[in-house]
Order: sequence, then C-alpha cells, then structure tokens
Amino acid sequence: DAKTTQPNSMESNEEEPVHLPCNHSTISGTDYIHWYRQLPSQGPEYVIHGLTSNVNNRMASLAIAEDRKSSTLILHRATLRDAAVYYCILRDGRGAGKSTFGDGTTLTVKP
Amino acid sequence: GAVVSQHPSRVICKSGTSVKIECRSLDFQATTMFWYRQFPKQSLMLMATSNEGSKATYEQGVEKDKFLINHASLTLSTLTVTSAHPEDSSFYICSVAGLAGDTRYEQYFGPGTRLTVT
Repeated sequence: DAKTTQPNSMESNEEEPVHLPCNHSTISGTDYIHWYRQLPSQGPEYVIHGLTSNVNNRMASLAIAEDRKSSTLILHRATLRDAAVYYCILRDGRGAGKSTFGDGTTLTVKP
Repeated sequence: GAVVSQHPSRVICKSGTSVKIECRSLDFQATTMFWYRQFPKQSLMLMATSNEGSKATYEQGVEKDKFLINHASLTLSTLTVTSAHPEDSSFYICSVAGLAGDTRYEQYFGPGTRLTVT
C-alpha cells in the first residue's frame, strides 16, 4: 500500500487559513487521495477527496500537485471545532479499496 | 453520506470471555465493510475487510480465529473478540465503503466501540 507522510502537529490561529501538507511519493495512477479527521474517542469523519484536479467542498479545499506526489488540505478559516487529527490516506484502486492510515497531523487551533 | 452505527459504544469484560461488536449501515447497503483497531495516541490499524456473504480478508498479523467477523447482510457486520485478554483493550471502529469499495467514493466510519478487558 502506498504510504503518506504528514507533519506530526501544526498550530493555527482561529479564523486564519490552515494548510495541512501530505507527501505521497509512491502514489499509483489509480489511487485516490482522501482526507479524514478524527476527534478524540470518535470515528474518523470524511473531509474531502480527489484524484488529479483540485477539489472544493463546504468543509475544505484539496490542492493536488501536478505530479500527484503531494497534496495540501486547506481549511479557509479555522475554528476551534476544526481542532482534530487529520489523516491523509490513499485508497487502493485495486481490490476492495481498503485504506491504510498513517500517523496524521494533530491540528491545534488557538483562540 | 452514509450513517454507520456501532453497538455497544463501550464494553468492559473479564479476561477469557468473548465480546461481540455490531456495525450497522443505517441507510446504505454495504457490500464491503472494514474493521479497524486504534490504541491510545496511535493511528487506526486496519484489521480486516468484511465482504457480505463471504469470508473476511484479514490483514497480516491479525488472528482470524481470535477476531471473528461475520457479514451476513448488507447492513450488518459483527466483530467477535474471542477469549479476550487485557492486550485486546482498544478502540474498535468499523467503516462502510461507498459502492462496494469503489475508491472514487468516501468511507463512512462508525463512532467506535471502546473495549476494556479486565
């Protein structure tokens, strides 16, 4: 399974944009890039996903490098509720589509 | 998105007993479900892929005879931890894969089950 690398932790001020990076240099052509976030003692929550083009939804934006070896999750205005562990994962395009989670980035949002 | 529930949310059991955890897809027919385990301050670890009507596929290092998975219907998968020991204490999370694991679609996760073995 392709692996992802993320910084262990990041800090942001409330109402400022946050850029969470993810490296996935061994990504294959059929792997989709997915982002999830997890609050303590809860299951992960879907944030966004994409293949090649940048994606936007109500929660965030996903910027994918042209070579697809890295991506950035963008929270346009961080709120205290955005404090969580963010996981960047690659969903295996073959077989059952299982996801292998890396260590994620713990985002702290300061008021 | 799909709504996934788990029952129970918390369970405490004695060492040597078995515990069953249910995962239900409330509004989505899930041909594929995944089971994860998460230890404190660690990431999720995939245990197995559960396919409706067939045997589950276990990840390397996960004992299939200890962690019994049954996916008898499109809305229910169960994980039974047999002869539980304190080292099995963990947070167990299931997820539903959109459209039979099609990676174009997102996964939906249950709220998790906290298992404590005393």
